[in-house]
Amino acid sequence: KQEVTQIPAALSVPEGENLVLNCSFTDSAIYNLQWFRQDPGKGLTSLLLIQSSQREQTSGRLNASLDKSSGRSTLYIAASQPGDSATYLCAVYGSGNTGKLIFGQGTTLQVKP
Amino acid sequence: EAGVAQSPRYKIIEKRQSVAFWCNPISGHATLYWYQQILGQGPKLLIQFQNNGVVDDSQLPKDRFSAERLKGVDSTLKIQPAKLEDSAVYLCASSPSPASGEQYFGPGTRLTVT
Repeated sequence: KQEVTQIPAALSVPEGENLVLNCSFTDSAIYNLQWFRQDPGKGLTSLLLIQSSQREQTSGRLNASLDKSSGRSTLYIAASQPGDSATYLCAVYGSGNTGKLIFGQGTTLQVKP
Repeated sequence: EAGVAQSPRYKIIEKRQSVAFWCNPISGHATLYWYQQILGQGPKLLIQFQNNGVVDDSQLPKDRFSAERLKGVDSTLKIQPAKLEDSAVYLCASSPSPASGEQYFGPGTRLTVT
């Protein structure tokens, strides 16, 4: 059974700091991995989608990497800003193209001005 | 392109009452998902539809939860009777197909059961 774990559960950093959020999964046979952002009281916004054949994806100040063999993904945020404060969720698509997403519990980030 | 729509956004009910949530997916998306997100946890899949057929409802508490997607477009999720532990955000998502590898989420419905 696939399990997804995110560490740390919460993180507080000063503005301008570079930071890394971690995601690990128990079954390396994944289809894709997706990072989401969730603001309080809101739905999920997709940040980056990494296909199983890819090693990383970049969008602006965000960079996500994927190491299937070790069951790990990281989300790197450069030069953090107060507007980055949110909960970040990692989710994996199981193999077999079923479309089923399995989520981690999220990392709540606070960036202090 | 319009996103996934959900209503209501908020709902407060007493335990043992019933409640229904509505979702309208992105136009042309054949696959629709309902997730339950309890405070402090990641979303958990309740049910997945492909057009109007159920693909996966293994984690749906079928004694009290039901869902339908009669015409392969809109979907409703119902809880009857509600329990305190059903307090959560209910998220709807859609994708063109299971193999597309990316889901688009609606804003969610926050349910509080008192």
